[in-house]
Amino acid sequence: AQSVTQLGSHVSVSEGALVLLRCNYSSSVPPYLFWYVQYPNQGLQLLLKYTSAATLVKGINGFEAEFKKSETSFHLTKPSAHMSDAAEYFCAVSDSGGSYIPTFGRGTSLIVHP
Amino acid sequence: ETGVTQTPRHLVMGMTNKKSLKCEQHLGHNAMYWYKQSAKKPLELMFVYSLEERVENNSVPSRFSPECPNSSHLFLHLHTLQPEDSALYLCASSQDRMSTDTQYFGPGTRLTVL
Repeated sequence: AQSVTQLGSHVSVSEGALVLLRCNYSSSVPPYLFWYVQYPNQGLQLLLKYTSAATLVKGINGFEAEFKKSETSFHLTKPSAHMSDAAEYFCAVSDSGGSYIPTFGRGTSLIVHP
Repeated sequence: ETGVTQTPRHLVMGMTNKKSLKCEQHLGHNAMYWYKQSAKKPLELMFVYSLEERVENNSVPSRFSPECPNSSHLFLHLHTLQPEDSALYLCASSQDRMSTDTQYFGPGTRLTVL
């Protein structure tokens, strides 16, 4: 069984500030972890994924995430927020034990203020 | 067209109507998915098809009926829906059914049931 918790349904930052979106997972086997972004009126788009290679994963649009097994976390960060980053962000987990269907978190809405 | 397309983008229907949602993927993928996205709830997996064979049916009411005539097309037939079925319906595809596979999403169909 696997689950994902995204802390904070809304995160508000100023343009240029650090973005930190939190994701904690639970999995009985080594996980594979994903971050997806959903812009208004669009489907989800992959930002980055961890599949047991390097623990620091770099994605598109300047985002990165670090897999920390001891903390069961996979937080998403970006050094400097842009207005265009305003969107809904979803963390997802699948496992290496055979369940290929990812479990998605409830999402975090990122609000960027000028 | 590239990626995953969905039609219509918006649909309003009465509880006694019959309608269909269409999804087409131009990525040469072998697996296709239907998800339901409701406000502030995790994505709900509805159906999974692999090489045109239904491989997952996630306890979805029979008023939703999927069809996959070939590996590029996926339909969701709707009949006698309830107002609580109003949601964004997302189609996705992936190369295969691997835990590390990225899912590619369409823009969704916004369904309103009156």
